[in-house]
Amino acid sequence: DTAVSQTPKYLVTQMGNDKSIKCEQNLGHDTMYWYKQDSKKFLKIMFSYNNKELIINETVPNRFSPKSPDKAHLNLHINSLELGDSAVYFCASRSGGSQSEAFFGQGTRLTVV
Amino acid sequence: DAKTTQPPSMDCAEGRAANLPCNHSTISGNEYVYWYRQIHSQGPQYIIHGLKNNETNEMASLIITEDRKSSTLILPHATLRDTAVYYCIVRGQSGSARQLTFGSGTQLTVLP
Repeated sequence: DTAVSQTPKYLVTQMGNDKSIKCEQNLGHDTMYWYKQDSKKFLKIMFSYNNKELIINETVPNRFSPKSPDKAHLNLHINSLELGDSAVYFCASRSGGSQSEAFFGQGTRLTVV
Repeated sequence: DAKTTQPPSMDCAEGRAANLPCNHSTISGNEYVYWYRQIHSQGPQYIIHGLKNNETNEMASLIITEDRKSSTLILPHATLRDTAVYYCIVRGQSGSARQLTFGSGTQLTVLP
């Protein structure tokens, strides 16, 4: 079973559209994350979230919003997509322990045309 | 912002040890050193972490200098499947410092 799964794996959409990327973890972890990896391969954290606290990277446009229907899911909703949003988006999760490792999904490659 | 410095690329012969250095001169006393790697087109994968003692697991060994300002990840017998970008990350234990902040990493290429 895949620990952290993301859907879809590939997403091609037009500018201005609204889209969501889903993430589910079956590890019972308390904290989930979204990362963006751009064309230069830099991995940048966008959000970290548990049921108590949302930490938003201040550089993330407010067109991006995390939505968590339950502890096992953290979906990424993007409004009014722009060309610069094209990237690979990774979801990750971690348990609450201070030293716990993070588990990453396989990524969603978003292409805005 | 990332607090680590790594060489952009390294090569290693298959079967030999790969030693990947990392500088983290501004590390504070409660921050851990983590290593992750990202094989092409996959999500990052945890390798190992440590505070001040050397650590070893089934994947690698982590050597942290006594002053904790640098560390070395050792893959004892590199294989072609170890070709990846290796990230050294310094992570705190509370609040936003607990987040994993990735730098540019080291592209390790294992040569046949």
